[in-house]
Parts: sequence; structure tokens; C-alpha cells
Amino acid sequence: RKEVEQDPGPFNVPEGATVAFNCTYSNSASQSFFWYRQDCRKEPKLLMSVYSSGNEDGRFTAQLNRASQYISLLIRDSKLSDSATYLCVVIRYNQGGKLIFGQGTELSVKP
Amino acid sequence: GAGVSQSPSNKVTEKGKDVELRCDPISGHTALYWYRQRLGQGLEFLIYFQGNSAPDKSGLPSDRFSAERTGESVSTLTIQRTQQEDSAVYLCASEQGMRTGELFFGEGSRLTVL
Repeated sequence: RKEVEQDPGPFNVPEGATVAFNCTYSNSASQSFFWYRQDCRKEPKLLMSVYSSGNEDGRFTAQLNRASQYISLLIRDSKLSDSATYLCVVIRYNQGGKLIFGQGTELSVKP
Repeated sequence: GAGVSQSPSNKVTEKGKDVELRCDPISGHTALYWYRQRLGQGLEFLIYFQGNSAPDKSGLPSDRFSAERTGESVSTLTIQRTQQEDSAVYLCASEQGMRTGELFFGEGSRLTVL
């Protein structure tokens, strides 16, 4: 079983839709969580951190459920420019702070 | 420049040859990662350097792969006796300190093994 698992998608949604991605992690020692975005044929970039209390950044909301070991990302009012692959990332402090990436969930927003 | 720089951006080689990929991290960043990404696939962790600690080599797929880093500067990833399955984009990333969670990636080195 992979340490970080995501539904690979693709998620095909119309503009304006709300879409949610989930990510599960297997190791309870994971202590910090992030979402990255990777555009086609580009390098990944940090989208947002995920805090225990949940956090928003404009149309994006990230949530963490430690008891169930999952992280979610909600995108409201989807734009064409949101089309990308969204990568879930965890840090395990007992591995020297190494970042571990999920395989990514592909989102395609259509007009 | 201020970002992570990788070279070469593209490399085509014949099966069995050795290749060396280079990464220049952002100045002052203590952590450096190498990842591999095959076409249409996710990021595969290869190796992690953090300051002067021993590197985490747990992701290297075989003994044909090795990487070095000089202090907190340049890193080289070497693949010996390349195979066709080594064809991928090799991404380098650096992080300021530890546990910040923000990796800055280079644009990658695209390796094609014929």
C-alpha cells in the first residue's frame, strides 16, 4: 500500500462547479500536510498548507482529519485555469522531514 | 537566477551509457531532493539531502543510480548503464531548512534512453 494515496481521476467538471479531492495517508507519524499543483509538463508548485483547523485561500479550502488520516481539497467556482494535477504531500518528521508525494489527481475544467 | 537550475534540460542517450544530471539549488537552501516522473505518472522519490546529515537514499531504484551533493550546493545524479525504463523527467527541488513543506522545483531534465 502506498503511503499517500489519491484518486487519480481524471475529474471532468464544468466551469463554476465545486469539486473535492481526497487523499489518505497510512502513517500516523505524518505531521504536516500540503497540496501542490502541477500543470501539464511543468514542475509542481505549492498550492497551500493544510492546517488542523482547516484553512481557506480564496476559492480553495483544505481540511485535515487526523483521526481518519485523510486530507481534502475543495475548489469552488472552478475556472478553466484550475485544470491541473493536484498532489497531496505529507512530511514525516521521523524520516528527517522528508516530503512524500501522492500520485496526484487530475482535474479538467471544461467550458 | 534565483530559482533551482537543472542541466541538461534534455538528454538523449543510448542504452548502456552513463549519464550525469546536475542541480543547482536556491542559495541557502539546506534540503535537496531528486524525484523521477515518468510520462503520465506521479513523482517517484529518489534521494533526499538535508544539511550535513547522511542522505536518505531509500528511493534509489537500483545500484546503477547514485547522487552526490557538495555541502549545501550543487548536486549530481548519476545513472550508470542506462536502460530504456530510465527514460523520464528527473526533477530536483530544494527547501529552505527542514519541514517548511515548500519545495522549489527546477524545470527538470528529460532523459530519453534509446
